[in-house]
Amino acid sequence: GNSVTQMEGPVTLSEEAFLTINCTYTATGYPSLFWYVQYPGEGLQLLLKATKADDKGSNKGFEATYRKETTSFHLEKGSVQVSDSAVYFCALNSGGSNYKLTFGKGTLLTVNP
Amino acid sequence: ETGVTQSPTHLIKTRGQQVTLRCSSQSGHNTVSWYQQALGQGPQFIFQYYREEENGRGNFPPRFSGLQFPNYSSELNVNALELDDSALYLCASSFGHPGQGNTEAFFGQGTRLTVV
Repeated sequence: GNSVTQMEGPVTLSEEAFLTINCTYTATGYPSLFWYVQYPGEGLQLLLKATKADDKGSNKGFEATYRKETTSFHLEKGSVQVSDSAVYFCALNSGGSNYKLTFGKGTLLTVNP
Repeated sequence: ETGVTQSPTHLIKTRGQQVTLRCSSQSGHNTVSWYQQALGQGPQFIFQYYREEENGRGNFPPRFSGLQFPNYSSELNVNALELDDSALYLCASSFGHPGQGNTEAFFGQGTRLTVV
C-alpha cells in the first residue's frame, strides 16, 4: 500500500536559518505529492504540490521537487520566520477511483526569534 | 466564496454514546472526505462521498458511517464510541471527479472529539 515517511521532529531553528524537512514515499503508479501545513488549533492548508516527476512546487518561499528516482519530496526554505512555526505534513494521492490522501506523521517546526 | 466549515469545534462524549459531526463543503465542491487525526499523528482517511454516494473507505469499522446531502454538505456518525476515537476529525472538500489525482482538497478547521 501507499505510505509516506517524514523526518522525525521536532525541529527547532533560529529565524533566517535554512530549513529542510525530508519526505520519502512508497506508492503504486504515479502519485501527486503535497505539503500541507497546520497552524496551532487550525485545520490543514495546502502549502504546495507537484503532480509529476521533476516538477517543483513552490509557495511563500517554500519549495519541494518531485524526485521519482529517489521517491522523495523534501521541503526546503532558505530563510525561515517565526510565523513559519507549525506542523508540516507530506502527503500523496495515487489517484484511482477516489481522491484519498495518505499523510506522513508530521514534523513540528519551531522558529525562535 | 465560503470555505469548509465544521461543527461543533469541540465535543465531549461518554464511551458507548453516539456522535454526529457536520461539515459544510466549500461552495461548488461535490466531493467530501473525512479524516481522523490522532494526537501527534497524521490524518487517516476514513471515507469519501461523491455526489451523495460513498466512494472509498479507509480501514475503519462499520460503526463509522456518513452521509452526503444534495447540497454536498456531509455528516460523520460514530456509534458505540470508544476511548481511542478521541481525535481531531477533519473534513475536506474538492471539486471534480475524485479520480483526478491532482485536485486540491480544502480542509475545515476540524472537530476535536474527546471520549471519556
